[in-house]
Formats: sequence, C-alpha cells, structure tokens
Amino acid sequence: GDSVTQMEGPVTLSEEAFLTINCTYTATGYPSLFWYVQYPGEGLQLLLKATKADDKGSNKGFEATYRKETTSFHLEKGSVQVSDSAVYFCALSAAGRRALTFGSGTRLQVQP
Amino acid sequence: KAGVTQTPRYLIKTRGQQVTLSCSPISGHRSVSWYQQTPGQGLQFLFEYFSETQRNKGNFPGRFSGRQFSNSRSEMNVSTLELGDSALYLCASSLKITGSSVTEAFFGQGTRLTVV
Repeated sequence: GDSVTQMEGPVTLSEEAFLTINCTYTATGYPSLFWYVQYPGEGLQLLLKATKADDKGSNKGFEATYRKETTSFHLEKGSVQVSDSAVYFCALSAAGRRALTFGSGTRLQVQP
Repeated sequence: KAGVTQTPRYLIKTRGQQVTLSCSPISGHRSVSWYQQTPGQGLQFLFEYFSETQRNKGNFPGRFSGRQFSNSRSEMNVSTLELGDSALYLCASSLKITGSSVTEAFFGQGTRLTVV
C-alpha cells in the first residue's frame, strides 16, 4: 500500500539556520504530495503541495520539489525562525483518491 | 470565511460508552474526511463523505462510523469505547471537483477524546 517515510525528529536548529526535512514515499501511479504543519494545540495547515513530477511547491519561504526518480519530496527553508517551531507532516494522496496518507511527522524546534 | 469547526474540543468518556463528534465544513465544501491522530499510530484516515455517502473508508473496526447531512455537516460516532480510542480526531473539508482528485484539505482544530 501507499506509505510515507519522514526523518525522525526532533530537529533542533538555531534561528536563521538552513532546514531540510527528508520525505520519501511509496505509491502506485502519480500521487499528489503535500506538506502540512501542526502548531501546538492546533489542527493541520497545508504548507505547500505539488501535483506532478518536477513541480516545486513553495510558501512562506518553504520549498519542496516533487522528485519522481527518487520518490522524494524534501522540505527546505533557507533561514528558519522561532515561529517555525511546529510538527511537519509529509503526505500523499494517490491518484483517484482523496484520502491522505501521512508520514509520522517531524518536530522542529528553533532556538533563538 | 469561517474555517472547519469541530465540536466539542475536548471530551472525556468512560470505557464502554459511545461518543459522537461533530464537524461543520467550510461553506461550499461538500467533502468531509475524518482522521485519527495518536502518538503511536500517527495520523490515520478513518473515512470520507461526499453528498451524504461514504466514499472511502480506512482500516478501522465497525465501532467507528459516520454520516453526513444534506448541509454537508458530518458526525462521527464511536461505540463501545476502548482506552486505545483516546486520540485527537481531526476533520477535514475540501471542494470536490469533478474529474480532479487534487484539492486542498482544510483541517479543523480537532476533538481531543480521552477514554478512562
């Protein structure tokens, strides 16, 4: 079945450091890929998405590129802020299905 | 535009009881999905409703059920509660566009269920 694998957390960075959170997936066909963010006590917010190979999703300084050849969708940000501290989830929706399959989440802690 | 509203936010129930959770989607959204979030299992898909019909179902026992009303509001019911049902239950709504499977899902803040 479909699955998403994320790097284990927590990831602890200093403010203005470069961020990478790795995400790889297994799915048949051509899934759509997403990054969601969850702040403490909140639901999930869509951060960015990509729907086909080589698409780059971007939002609020975060970027991720859909790499079909490596089945990856790594999240990057050039300079993190304390306010970016949250849990980040990589997810996919298989072609023809609306249900999301999530990775286990990666907690990011940014220290001032 | 109001977001996805889930009620109640917090709930404490006893083993063996049943519980009903409610979700009001964003106005105009006709697809509602439910997810269970636990520290051990992470986020898992429960089911999706569209036009009052269940369209997809995850791998959960029959104790978990749901329904959708004509105004797209949805309820989720869990019967014969077990300790392991303690979780954050998240509802997501989205526009369902014919011929497309890629639409953004907007999540509510969730209902935190504790079974004691």
